[in-house]
Amino acid sequence: GENVEQHPSTLSVQEGDSAVIKCTYSDSASNYFPWYKQELGKGPQLIIDIRSNVGEKKDQRIAVTLNKTAKHFSLHITETQPEDSAVYFCAASDGGFKTIFGAGTRLFVKA
Amino acid sequence: EPEVTQTPSHQVTQMGQEVILRCVPISNHLYFYWYRQILGQKVEFLVSFYNNEISEKSEIFDDQFSVERPDGSNFTLKIRSTKLEDSAMYFCASSEVAGGDNEQFFGPGTRLTVL
Repeated sequence: GENVEQHPSTLSVQEGDSAVIKCTYSDSASNYFPWYKQELGKGPQLIIDIRSNVGEKKDQRIAVTLNKTAKHFSLHITETQPEDSAVYFCAASDGGFKTIFGAGTRLFVKA
Repeated sequence: EPEVTQTPSHQVTQMGQEVILRCVPISNHLYFYWYRQILGQKVEFLVSFYNNEISEKSEIFDDQFSVERPDGSNFTLKIRSTKLEDSAMYFCASSEVAGGDNEQFFGPGTRLTVL
């Protein structure tokens, strides 16, 4: 079955710096890669996603890149702000009903 | 903005007892999911549900688990005989369109503690 590895587990950056979180997946049939942000006491919330027919997608300060050959995708947050502090999960799906999550990255943005 | 709601926010139960976790998905959504997250670990898929039947389930979702849509608004997860290792955060999610390749909206979760 699909396995998603996520690194780092913890990331601490200074406000205004960039943050990069990386994930790899094992199942070449996966074609959809969402990223979720989980704030304390809340459920995961989708922040950006990318499909396998696209190599990069950007939404304001957030961008995601996908390398299908390497089975690797990354989340980039630029100009980080304290409110970006949260746990971020990558995930993968082959279009079926099951979504496989990574282990999460706890991001701390220091003011 | 419509949202997924879950009750209770925290459930404490004794090992061996049955628990029912409740969810109210977004009203026009037709696809429903349960996930669990053991403290500090990844979010794990349990089951998906559509048209009053399970569409997919994981190996975690064994015979002690069941799901039901008892009426037009609620979606429940029942754990028949709880074990210590069932202690986790349980998230309900719903989506308007089928498939894991479409946005799922998550509820705030129910924290289940089995003593």
